[in-house]
Amino acid sequence: AQKITQTQPGMFVQEKEAVTLDCTYDTSDPSYGLFWYKQPSSGEMIFLIYQGSYDQQNATEGRYSLNFQKARKSANLVISASQLGDSAMYFCAMRGHNTNAGKSTFGDGTTLTVKP
Amino acid sequence: ETGVTQTPRHLVMGMTNKKSLKCEQHLGHNAMYWYKQSAKKPLELMFVYNFKEQTENNSVPSRFSPECPNSSHLFLHLHTLQPEDSALYLCASSQGSEAGGGDTQYFGPGTRLTVL
Repeated sequence: AQKITQTQPGMFVQEKEAVTLDCTYDTSDPSYGLFWYKQPSSGEMIFLIYQGSYDQQNATEGRYSLNFQKARKSANLVISASQLGDSAMYFCAMRGHNTNAGKSTFGDGTTLTVKP
Repeated sequence: ETGVTQTPRHLVMGMTNKKSLKCEQHLGHNAMYWYKQSAKKPLELMFVYNFKEQTENNSVPSRFSPECPNSSHLFLHLHTLQPEDSALYLCASSQGSEAGGGDTQYFGPGTRLTVL
């Protein structure tokens, strides 16, 4: 079984500051992938970043980086230089390598509000 | 058109109506998914199709009937729905089970369904 925990229901950050959104996971799969998605108020889930469990380096995509600590089973999302448009719901998800197609597990999400 | 599209974007229907949601992906993917997202609830996986074959039915009531005529199109047929079925219905696609843990799902904009 897989489980994703996002302990921060809501977060606030000042514009241009960096923010870290927490995600911890649990799985019995030896190989897995971790994902972050952004969901603005419009509803669309936008893929942000992916980290493989055997990747040696933390994933980065522009202003997004994933702080992957395998021993702690954490995959925190770091957003640098926050912008007003970053205000949205953020979901952490995972999928095991041996899992049948579709068995991705999502967390409950964190609502991020960027203040001007 | 690129990515994953969904129509209609908004739908209001009575409990006795029959309607269908449509999803189309232009990414050359082999797997397609239906998710339900209710207010203040986690994302719920409903159905998964991999190479047009249904591989997951997550105990969804029979008033929801999926159809996948080919790898690019996915429908969700709705009949005799209940008010508690009001939610955002999200479609997603991915390469499929062969991609293993790195199988990234790409989502459509969703259909906001209201059942009166």
